[in-house]
Amino acid sequence: KAGVTQTPRYLIKTRGQQVTLSCSPISGHRSVSWYQQTPGQGLQFLFEYFSETQRNKGNFPGRFSGRQFSNSRSEMNVSTLELGDSALYLCASSLRGSGDEKLFFGSGTQLSVL
Amino acid sequence: GQQVMQIPQYQHVQEGEDFTTYCNSSTTLSNIQWYKQRPGGHPVFLIQLVKSGEVKKQKRLTFQFGEAKKNSSLHITATQTTDVGTYFCAGPNTDKLIFGTGTRLQVFP
Repeated sequence: KAGVTQTPRYLIKTRGQQVTLSCSPISGHRSVSWYQQTPGQGLQFLFEYFSETQRNKGNFPGRFSGRQFSNSRSEMNVSTLELGDSALYLCASSLRGSGDEKLFFGSGTQLSVL
Repeated sequence: GQQVMQIPQYQHVQEGEDFTTYCNSSTTLSNIQWYKQRPGGHPVFLIQLVKSGEVKKQKRLTFQFGEAKKNSSLHITATQTTDVGTYFCAGPNTDKLIFGTGTRLQVFP
């Protein structure tokens, strides 16, 4: 079984631009969660999607958005990039996203905002 | 909101020494999970504890879940250089997993 796939692996953007990150979950997994990881803040929950619906949202501004497609693939978008958005963005998948399941993480997208 | 704290933030040990990281939640948890992230890598699931007072072992790693289900610990006996990485605990909060602040372990040969 293929693991969680995230693309691209690295991204360099400038302030004010927008970016779209992609995540393909493990086959059969319907829940996709997104996390932002920075050295100072650890792993911060962004949002979680299940069956194309956003079920949970973390404490991030509206510039951060996401969606999930019928094949469970997910994208997250960050508009009007700020320097502080530089981080490793990780997505994780699970069967149901019930909170008592283990998460399978992708390798992440390293975003640098200049 | 729910907070999950870990101590220490960093730990440097000599190879062969023991290591322990502690995880504390502000709320009672239905279960707790532990993940390991190698430098440059992504978090990888290690184990899940569900029962109050539960203890599980994986070779040199011992995991405990507190009686009140608000704290947990991970103990590594006789560390090796392969143990290097950041260890995270994580607990559920309304169907999402909240991660602890992590403990970065460095092992010197």
